[in-house]
Amino acid sequence: EPEVTQTPSHQVTQMGQEVILRCVPISNHLYFYWYRQILGQKVEFLVSFYNNEISEKSEIFDDQFSVERPDGSNFTLKIRSTKLEDSAMYFCASSADRPPGQYEQYFGPGTRLTVT
Amino acid sequence: DQQVKQNSPSLSVQEGRISILNCDYTNSMFDYFLWYKKYPAEGPTFLISISSIKDKNEDGRFTVFLNKSAKHLSLHIVPSQPGDSAVYFCAASATGNQFYFGTGTSLTVIP
Repeated sequence: EPEVTQTPSHQVTQMGQEVILRCVPISNHLYFYWYRQILGQKVEFLVSFYNNEISEKSEIFDDQFSVERPDGSNFTLKIRSTKLEDSAMYFCASSADRPPGQYEQYFGPGTRLTVT
Repeated sequence: DQQVKQNSPSLSVQEGRISILNCDYTNSMFDYFLWYKKYPAEGPTFLISISSIKDKNEDGRFTVFLNKSAKHLSLHIVPSQPGDSAVYFCAASATGNQFYFGTGTSLTVIP
């Protein structure tokens, strides 16, 4: 069964460093998303991406964050200058379509980001 | 942000019985709903969806009911199996783009 994959599974970085989290969405999906979950808190939406541009973003997704689809398979989340509060599990998700089509979002296993 | 609430942090059910997981939301613009199952250190696994044009959707042992006037949905699992033990999240969206998640309900199915 097709699945979303994410690398690395765990990333440790120092405050102020740049990190890039990588995702390979399901191959025939066209809509891509990043969510995060801080330990003990809810899963929170960061950004959605379609047709090589951001379609929606939350307040969390400030200028320190960027997303890119550098080739036909990868989807990346970059944090330019990490802060301690960026420590979280980051989930990539993808969907085939938007409503009324197949809008169900399928999640990857996550990347645990630890900022020290 | 309390737009989606799962008021029961945990639920225990005997194997073979029905599990009912509840979810309430406050935003009347939400039209699309998803249920996920999650194990520790893994990503959420999609289970079942429903949109506001329906009040019920069924997939095998999983049925989701939506009561739009009450802003309430529930996931029924029948019969419950030990392998269903996990944390269950509901998520809601107005556009099918940004989904708001609940805090989850930890289900334990007792053999």
